[in-house]
Amino acid sequence: DVKVTQSSRYLVKRTGEKVFLECVQDMDHENMFWYRQDPGLGLRLIYFSYDVKMKEKGDIPEGYSVSREKKERFSLILESASTNQTSMYLCASSGLGILNNSPLHFGNGTRLTVT
Amino acid sequence: RKEVEQDPGPFNVPEGATVAFNCTYSNSASQSFFWYRQDCRKEPKLLMSVYSSGNEDGRFTAQLNRASQYISLLIRDSKLSDSATYLCVAGGSQGNLIFGKGTKLSVKP
Repeated sequence: DVKVTQSSRYLVKRTGEKVFLECVQDMDHENMFWYRQDPGLGLRLIYFSYDVKMKEKGDIPEGYSVSREKKERFSLILESASTNQTSMYLCASSGLGILNNSPLHFGNGTRLTVT
Repeated sequence: RKEVEQDPGPFNVPEGATVAFNCTYSNSASQSFFWYRQDCRKEPKLLMSVYSSGNEDGRFTAQLNRASQYISLLIRDSKLSDSATYLCVAGGSQGNLIFGKGTKLSVKP
């Protein structure tokens, strides 16, 4: 069974702090994704990666960056956290090629509060 | 037009009822379709893939109509444990998956 692990379940950070959200998957999946989920807005794609050191912007990349130095790990970075980045962050992975649109397997989420 | 649209609900149904969710998608080139289930404050989990010919998994039936760009999910004999939000998903133009905002289902005793 695929396991996607997010390092923190809950995080509270101050405005202006640099925040790292870590995600690790154990199925040797090529593709990894970061979403945020907000009430009424659904899941919105921030960034995705289809290979080590590769990254693609999603729908809402502003204020975020990512790092994929190893295949199993995909990090989301908030360079200077702001209150409008308070959200549930979900990491996901999928196998096969990116254009095959294989189903995503999600981690259990990180609920980030920026005060 | 939003890429994947669903009725947000909530759908409030009694146990044993049959309930149907519908979803439309805008990318005519989409090749992959799924239904996910999300419980309150949990991550989305894959419920089932949706195939062109339609497919069934126990009490759940998924259908795809490519001409109308329409996906459906039918739940028969609904259980209390079916209460959740159901997310419709279609393949996007960049190779990613596009999620609908979800339809909330509440099954009452």
